[in-house]
Amino acid sequence: GQQVMQIPQYQHVQEGEDFTTYCNSSTTLSNIQWYKQRPGGHPVFLIQLVKSGEVKKQKRLTFQFGEAKKNSSLHITATQTTDVGTYFCAGSGGYNKLIFGAGTRLAVHP
Amino acid sequence: DAGVIQSPRHEVTEMGQEVTLRCKPISGHDYLFWYRQTMMRGLELLIYFNNNVPIDDSGMPEDRFSAKMPNASFSTLKIQPSEPRDSAVYFCASSHGRLTKLFFGSGTQLSVL
Repeated sequence: GQQVMQIPQYQHVQEGEDFTTYCNSSTTLSNIQWYKQRPGGHPVFLIQLVKSGEVKKQKRLTFQFGEAKKNSSLHITATQTTDVGTYFCAGSGGYNKLIFGAGTRLAVHP
Repeated sequence: DAGVIQSPRHEVTEMGQEVTLRCKPISGHDYLFWYRQTMMRGLELLIYFNNNVPIDDSGMPEDRFSAKMPNASFSTLKIQPSEPRDSAVYFCASSHGRLTKLFFGSGTQLSVL
């Protein structure tokens, strides 16, 4: 069945450093979504990518969708303590449902 | 809008007891999802509904789990009998349209002793 793999599992950075998490699918995705979950909270939608090669930015966050629509990345420039949390990608292939990756937990040290 | 509302926020029960989790989706949303989150297995989709009709329940772990959506504003997830391995955070989410962004509730932290 469809699988969405996400790396790394954990990332510790100093405040001000950059951070990137990667998402890979075993199948071609029709779209990919990114969510952020703060400790003790619930996943909150960040963005959706649909087009091959698409790049979207939200302030310090840059999201990319691969040309083959099988991978995606989230890059945070100059991390802040408010960026702490777990970042999930969720992809949709041919099953008409979103499959979540395992998430990348980001810790930011001041 | 108040967002997706789940109750209870926390549930502690003993093995063998029946547990019922409740969810009120955002008004106007036509899709409702139940997810389970654990450290070991991450976010797992249990079941989802479209216009109150169950579409895919392939993620429901066992016959002990059942879900209903009697109307557009209410859904339940029932576990009977509960077991310690059911301990997890259960999230309800809703969306407007297929494969659009999900709005999650605050979750129910379930502990089965």
